[in-house]
Amino acid sequence: QVQLVESGGGVVQPGRSLRLSCAASGFTFRSAAMHWVRQAPGRGLEWVAVISYDGDNSYYADSVKGRFTISRDNSKKTLYLQMNNLRVEDTAVYFCASGWFGELRLDYWGQGTLVSVSS
Amino acid sequence: QSVLTQPPSVSGTPGQTVTISCSGSSSNIGSNTINWYQHLPGTAPKLLIYVNDKRPSGVPDRFSGSKSGTSGSLTISGLQSEDEGDYYCATWDASQRGVFGGGTKLTVL
Repeated sequence: QVQLVESGGGVVQPGRSLRLSCAASGFTFRSAAMHWVRQAPGRGLEWVAVISYDGDNSYYADSVKGRFTISRDNSKKTLYLQMNNLRVEDTAVYFCASGWFGELRLDYWGQGTLVSVSS
Repeated sequence: QSVLTQPPSVSGTPGQTVTISCSGSSSNIGSNTINWYQHLPGTAPKLLIYVNDKRPSGVPDRFSGSKSGTSGSLTISGLQSEDEGDYYCATWDASQRGVFGGGTKLTVL
């Protein structure tokens, strides 16, 4: 069955960096676009970024553009989110999801990993 | 302030039918398909409806979706207690970004 398992979350001070990982199994990872979506405490879902199946193309939400970088390693079936210059408002549960490029159809989701930015 | 507008909450009794609306603009819903997600407490979000009105395998036919112009809706018939949770519409925007609605909390009375 499809599994997406996020890791790398934790508590970090403002201005610091963190890298999230998402290990995929149970589907053809190299053929799927991959997304990151986050949910701040008490808030709704917010789309963060997408990367194409081959890693050649990506898009970002305005709120993270220039600070976050999405990448993937198809040989390891792993998605990444490098988060630099973190802000308090980046505090959220971060979900990875498999889906489509240029669409917000997200077929499968992970359980999420919590990132808390606090001084 | 979400790009897509949903009612903050809806409610119904078991067996009833409820509808959740989602309003956008020509740059998002007006030019792309709508997807709906169910987010139950303590679980990962789940794709409920894709491409406006299609159900993934395993989703009961009590759930249906539609789209007209720059708006869409999710209808849940035969409401059950296990349907209680948050529901989100989502689509792609012409500015090359994903957009979600603010979410609707469904309460089964």
